[in-house]
Amino acid sequence: DGGITQSPKYLFRKEGQNVTLSCEQNLNHDAMYWYRQDPGQGLRLIYYSQIVNDFQKGDIAEGYSVSREKKESFPLTVTSAQKNPTAFYLCASSMLPSNTEAFFGQGTRLTVV
Amino acid sequence: ILNVEQSPQSLHVQEGDSTNFTCSFPSSNFYALHWYRWETAKSPEALFVMTLNGDEKKKGRISATLNTKEGYSYLYIKGSQPEDSATYLCAFKTNTNAGKSTFGDGTTLTVKP
Repeated sequence: DGGITQSPKYLFRKEGQNVTLSCEQNLNHDAMYWYRQDPGQGLRLIYYSQIVNDFQKGDIAEGYSVSREKKESFPLTVTSAQKNPTAFYLCASSMLPSNTEAFFGQGTRLTVV
Repeated sequence: ILNVEQSPQSLHVQEGDSTNFTCSFPSSNFYALHWYRWETAKSPEALFVMTLNGDEKKKGRISATLNTKEGYSYLYIKGSQPEDSATYLCAFKTNTNAGKSTFGDGTTLTVKP
């Protein structure tokens, strides 16, 4: 089945540790995205990538880093510089041009204690 | 950060009622407006992609309209069913940065049997 896989579903980390969230897609999509959701709020864009080895900051990129070494993979690292890392993280992908719909993963809920 | 607003924040209706909600976005530099449905414990799924002023899209009992000149889109659900219960998100893209979506906070619809 084609789709987007995020892992793990739940993740617990101690404060001060970096953590990497996985996102893989087998839809052959060029573009991939990372969003964050906090309670009562919509999705906010962290980073996006439209081509391998290239990515752009979204609205809330501080404290996060990404890589796009393969078309299928777009891992997100939450660094210790992110002040409020506890949140729900969603990965998405889409074809280009950019007016096409996005397909989303199931999300990772990160809790930092 | 662009301002995309959805109203109301939540809505409770009885089965069989028709309902509608609004997505407001900047009226300049319009590129595309997406509607997504997000059911609990699932991934967001695309409903409509709207790109032209005056667009009307329909899928079963759900339809959407678009007014880019005044910066709003309406989503209508005719004869609501319990399975329509979900959060409905809109996402706005500008022609100055079409790779980036700005989401509203969503409208959460609960349909009571």
